[in-house]
Amino acid sequence: QVQLVQSGSELKKPGASVTVSCKASGYTLTSHAINWVRQAPGQGLEWMGWINTYTGNPTYAQGFTGRFVFSLDTSVSTAFLQISSLKAEDAAVYYCARDVGVGDAVTLDTWGQGTLVTVSS
Amino acid sequence: DIQMTQSPSTLSASVGDRVTITCRASQSISTRLAWYQQRPGKAPNLLIYKTSSLESGVPSRFSGSGSGTEFTLTISSLQPDDFATYYCQHSWTFGQGTKVEIK
Repeated sequence: QVQLVQSGSELKKPGASVTVSCKASGYTLTSHAINWVRQAPGQGLEWMGWINTYTGNPTYAQGFTGRFVFSLDTSVSTAFLQISSLKAEDAAVYYCARDVGVGDAVTLDTWGQGTLVTVSS
Repeated sequence: DIQMTQSPSTLSASVGDRVTITCRASQSISTRLAWYQQRPGKAPNLLIYKTSSLESGVPSRFSGSGSGTEFTLTISSLQPDDFATYYCQHSWTFGQGTKVEIK
């Protein structure tokens, strides 16, 4: 079945970098965009952006430019989120999700299990 | 940017109740709206897409309606599994969520 499996929880110090992976199975990664969504503790869902898995072109939401990078390794059907210069406010659960919609009719039908990133000195 | 506003923020209900959650868009979005359920500690789960299309495997007690700027998610008879937080979403914007609690 279609699945997105994310890497495990991370504990990082402020200023460090972290990479979250999202491995797709049960379908071809390049057939649907991958979106990234952040959920801070006790808060709602916040869209971070998406990556066109066919071209590799990323799009970042406002507030997620500069320190956030989306990338792919299609040879292993995996999408990546890298966050550099971590701040305390980056502590959150990060989700990847597959978009099966067309254009701006974004429809996130499959989600990874989430990766908890903790930032603490 | 289009803003999505849900009401209420919290809803207290009993098993068997009919529950309605409203989502309003700051401008017309046609029928490009989805609804997700998120249980505590779990990833969101797609319930409804294109306003009223039920995702495969989702119980038929869930339904969606609306168009333009006003949309609703209805649970016809609330079940114990349904106590969760619900989010509407248009394009790349989520509503703030509605928590359905046990009364």
